[in-house]
Amino acid sequence: QVQLVQSGAEVKKPGASVRVSCKASGYTLNGFYMHWVRQAPGQGLEWMGRINPHSGGTNYAQKFQGRVAMTRDTSINTAYMDLSSLRSDDTAVYYCARDLYSEGWFDAWGQGTLVTVSA
Amino acid sequence: IVMTQSPDTLSVSPGERATLFCRASQSVSNNLAWYQQKPGQAPRLLLYAASTRASGIPAKFSGSGSGTEFTLTISSLQSEDFALYYCQQYKNWPYTFGQGTKLEIK
Repeated sequence: QVQLVQSGAEVKKPGASVRVSCKASGYTLNGFYMHWVRQAPGQGLEWMGRINPHSGGTNYAQKFQGRVAMTRDTSINTAYMDLSSLRSDDTAVYYCARDLYSEGWFDAWGQGTLVTVSA
Repeated sequence: IVMTQSPDTLSVSPGERATLFCRASQSVSNNLAWYQQKPGQAPRLLLYAASTRASGIPAKFSGSGSGTEFTLTISSLQSEDFALYYCQQYKNWPYTFGQGTKLEIK
């Protein structure tokens, strides 16, 4: 069955960078867009952007432009989200989510990765 | 596009029906999805295209609407249905979510 398994929790200092990985199983990463969505503690969901794993092409929410990079390694069926210049308000659970028909809704989600930014 | 859900919290008795609302600040046509989220878990897709149930979602979940006004109806509420529900538009980037409606046991 389709599964997205993310890397473990991270604690970072302000100004640092973080990389979150998302390993897909049960399907080929190449075939479907992968999105990243975050959720601050006790807050709602925020879309960050997406990557086309086949081409490597990306689209980012303007809010994160210049700070986020989404990449992939198709040889190991894994997508990555790098976020730099971390601030305290970047503390959140970060999710990867598959876009089944490239329409923008998400049929499968990773379990989430908590990134805590604290001095 | 700003998505606004109402109410913020809805109290309903088990066995009854719940109706949740989602409004878009501009037309999203039928590019609207609904998700359920339980504490400590990732969201789960319920509906897309405003009214199409995702794979494995029971018929007790139904959606309607187009343009700017949408509804999620959950019939015969059971304990496992009490959770947070989010709507999401995917008409325009950046994709945006509503603030969520907490469905709680009355």
